[in-house]
Amino acid sequence: QVQLQESGPGLVKPSETLSLTCTVSGGSISSYYWSWIRQPPGKGLEWIGYIYYSGNANYNPSLKRRVTISVDPSKNQFSLELNSVTAADTAVYYCARGQIQPYFDFWGQGTLVTVSS
Amino acid sequence: QSVLTQPPSASGTPGQRVTISCSGSSSNIGSNYLYWYQQLPGTAPKLLIYNNNQRPSGVPDRFSGSKSGTSASLAISGLRSEDEADYYCAAWDDSLSGPVFGGGTKVTVL
Repeated sequence: QVQLQESGPGLVKPSETLSLTCTVSGGSISSYYWSWIRQPPGKGLEWIGYIYYSGNANYNPSLKRRVTISVDPSKNQFSLELNSVTAADTAVYYCARGQIQPYFDFWGQGTLVTVSS
Repeated sequence: QSVLTQPPSASGTPGQRVTISCSGSSSNIGSNYLYWYQQLPGTAPKLLIYNNNQRPSGVPDRFSGSKSGTSASLAISGLRSEDEADYYCAAWDDSLSGPVFGGGTKVTVL
């Protein structure tokens, strides 16, 4: 059974960079698309971007200027960097396995990141 | 403001049938598959329906999906207390070149 686990700081200061890593276990990171999705408190889901195991990435146009997603197949991990954060970036961040279509079949448990000074 | 539009809430008594709508446009629902996710309180979303009307293994057949034009719906028949959750629709959007979600519908079992 594939499992995903997010890790990273739970508190980030405004204007700084949010960095999270998702570790995949129980399966290879190869041959799938790997996404980051976030959910502000009490609100809906927002797709941030995805990366293919080969390194090709695609981002939500509304976040594209601030987002970088990378992958390390040797560690079965992929990562998210979101720079110049504000309070509006406070959310639970999920990593998920999927396809180009929004077929997300495995999710991490999510990690709350709060942007505050 | 979500790209896909869902009613914020829906409710029913145990055993009833509840339907949730999801409306979009020709660039998303009208030209791509529709997906549904169930999010129980405090947990990650779970894939409920894919490719408009297909259920992953383990999802009860009480859940069914349909799509027509630029709209879709999720039906829950024989409503049970454990179905109380938030439900999200999702589709690929050709204009945005990425997946888009609905704002979510909270289902309450009365």
